[in-house]
Amino acid sequence: NAGVMQNPRHLVRRRGQEARLRCSPMKGHSHVYWYRQLPEEGLKFMVYLQKENIIDESGMPKERFSAEFPKEGPSILRIQQVVRGDSAAYFCASSAQGVNEQYFGPGTRLTVT
Amino acid sequence: AQSVAQPEDQVNVAEGNPLTVKCTYSVSGNPYLFWYVQYPNRGLQFLLKYITGDNLVKGSYGFEAEFNKSQTSFHLKKPSALVSDSALYFCAVRSHGSGNTGKLIFGQGTTLQVKP
Repeated sequence: NAGVMQNPRHLVRRRGQEARLRCSPMKGHSHVYWYRQLPEEGLKFMVYLQKENIIDESGMPKERFSAEFPKEGPSILRIQQVVRGDSAAYFCASSAQGVNEQYFGPGTRLTVT
Repeated sequence: AQSVAQPEDQVNVAEGNPLTVKCTYSVSGNPYLFWYVQYPNRGLQFLLKYITGDNLVKGSYGFEAEFNKSQTSFHLKKPSALVSDSALYFCAVRSHGSGNTGKLIFGQGTTLQVKP
């Protein structure tokens, strides 16, 4: 059973470009969470999705950030018009219905130049 | 508001000695508590959780943690440290009940250094 997959592992974008981060949850998992880890900081919750629904986006910046988890395919975290402050590691986690622990992917390290 | 505190940025122990990584939490209602470990340039690996029941929970790689409700603590322990245990450790909490969406609140992390 493959774990949580994230791609790309490393992404370099210039200021003003768009970044798209993909996450495929573990097989059988219907809950996806995105977290951001800034340098020298812990992980901060961004958004929680189930298939085709955003359940909790209380940690998402109000502008430029969006997330989706379509019926088919991976979950996507999209950052428009990136700025240097968006440079961070973005982790996706998934869990099964009724299971409390979340399983994390290897992360996407975004660098904005 | 929910929060987690890991008061030590770094813990140093000698191989073979017991280790403790501290965590305290603040949450309304009963907490669900978790420990994760992160190796360099990797994602987080789940170690153990406390949901209910016995206050001492056992997890992966010989780690265990003790839930103390009166002290609102959930310290991670291991009787005999290995050099390979050197990594970054995160404590996390979530509340449960109506309105809870399952998001985890993480501490800042504690770097564990085990010296040979």
